[in-house]
Amino acid sequence: GENVEQHPSTLSVQEGDSAVIKCTYSDSASNYFPWYKQELGKGPQLIIDIRSNVGEKKDQRIAVTLNKTAKHFSLHITETQPEDSAVYFCAAITGNQFYFGTGTSLTVIP
Amino acid sequence: GAGVSQSPSNKVTEKGKDVELRCDPISGHTALYWYRQSLGQGLEFLIYFQGNSAPDKSGLPSDRFSAERTGGSVSTLTIQRTQQEDSAVYLCASSLVPGTGNGYTFGSGTRLTVV
Repeated sequence: GENVEQHPSTLSVQEGDSAVIKCTYSDSASNYFPWYKQELGKGPQLIIDIRSNVGEKKDQRIAVTLNKTAKHFSLHITETQPEDSAVYFCAAITGNQFYFGTGTSLTVIP
Repeated sequence: GAGVSQSPSNKVTEKGKDVELRCDPISGHTALYWYRQSLGQGLEFLIYFQGNSAPDKSGLPSDRFSAERTGGSVSTLTIQRTQQEDSAVYLCASSLVPGTGNGYTFGSGTRLTVV
């Protein structure tokens, strides 16, 4: 089955700096790669996604890149703000199943 | 409803008791997933329902865990003879079209504490 690895597990950045979270996957059949943000006491919320026929997607301060050959994708947050502090999960879809990374706890220091 | 609804939001139970956790998916969503999230951990897949097909139970950790989905809508996750290691947040998600991420939405979860 699919194996998704996510790094780093924790990340601290100064407000205004950029944050990058990386994920790798193993199954070349995976074709959809969403990113979720989970705030304390809440369920994960979709923040951005990318499909396997696209290399990069951007939505305001958030961007995701995908390298199908290398089987890795990354989340980029620019101009970080304290409200970006949360746990971020990547995922890969193969067939009907979602395979999640183990999460990155991002702390933005004011 | 507008989103995936889970109840109760918090549940404290004594070791050995049975518990039932409920998930109301978004209306019209045919796919429903249950996950377990232990403190500081990622999402552990438990079970997946799709329409009237037989559920994928491959993630259930033991025979104390079971789930059903009645009428293709509401789902109940049952944990029998709860153990302290069952303490976790149980998340439900539903999606419109499986395998595409279309409309894939999580509920806020049920925090289960076994004492």
